[in-house]
Amino acid sequence: DTGVSQDPRHKITKRGQNVTFRCDPISEHNRLYWYRQTLGQGPEFLTYFQNEAQLEKSRLLSDRFSAERPKGSFSTLEIQRTEQGDSAMYLCASSSRDRGTEAFFGQGTRLTVV
Amino acid sequence: RKEVEQDPGPFNVPEGATVAFNCTYSNSASQSFFWYRQDCRKEPKLLMSVYSSGNEDGRFTAQLNRASQYISLLIRDSKLSDSATYLCVVKLEYGNKLVFGAGTILRVKS
Repeated sequence: DTGVSQDPRHKITKRGQNVTFRCDPISEHNRLYWYRQTLGQGPEFLTYFQNEAQLEKSRLLSDRFSAERPKGSFSTLEIQRTEQGDSAMYLCASSSRDRGTEAFFGQGTRLTVV
Repeated sequence: RKEVEQDPGPFNVPEGATVAFNCTYSNSASQSFFWYRQDCRKEPKLLMSVYSSGNEDGRFTAQLNRASQYISLLIRDSKLSDSATYLCVVKLEYGNKLVFGAGTILRVKS
């Protein structure tokens, strides 16, 4: 078990381009979360999956954002038509209901939109 | 009003000092409470859960006051390695998302 893995670790993109991030949770964790964090702020909730079902979405998640977890294992977060305000650290976390509510975070993907 | 509020600090303390952080939450339906630690440019990691009866883990003590919707973290005998941002986290009774405060910065100096 190597923990939550995120790819890429860094992404620089031009405004208007689409980007996709991947998250591989801890194996057998059925819960997966996406958060966004900007400098000086705590992580802000974006969305939550239980297995392959997307059960919660924040109002922060505009129609330019979409997340999937097709087989209940890895997840992708896509941002279309990126804007400078999308620049942030995108964190993925996973947890297992069997082990309580502790969420384990990946190291994040740092997105810079230029 | 933010769902979870913390004093951002920074708290600058000497080694060996005792320091306390406070946190308030707005939603009375909050069910579970945690303190996470985040080192610079690293991911948040669970420090400890917070129970109604209060709980202690070594030099760290967490307290919860549901009536006042208030959570605290006490660090005794501060070490240089305690320097980090401490995030107060609540989970609502319904749903599964964790709601984070903005964090309190602690700097321990020799």
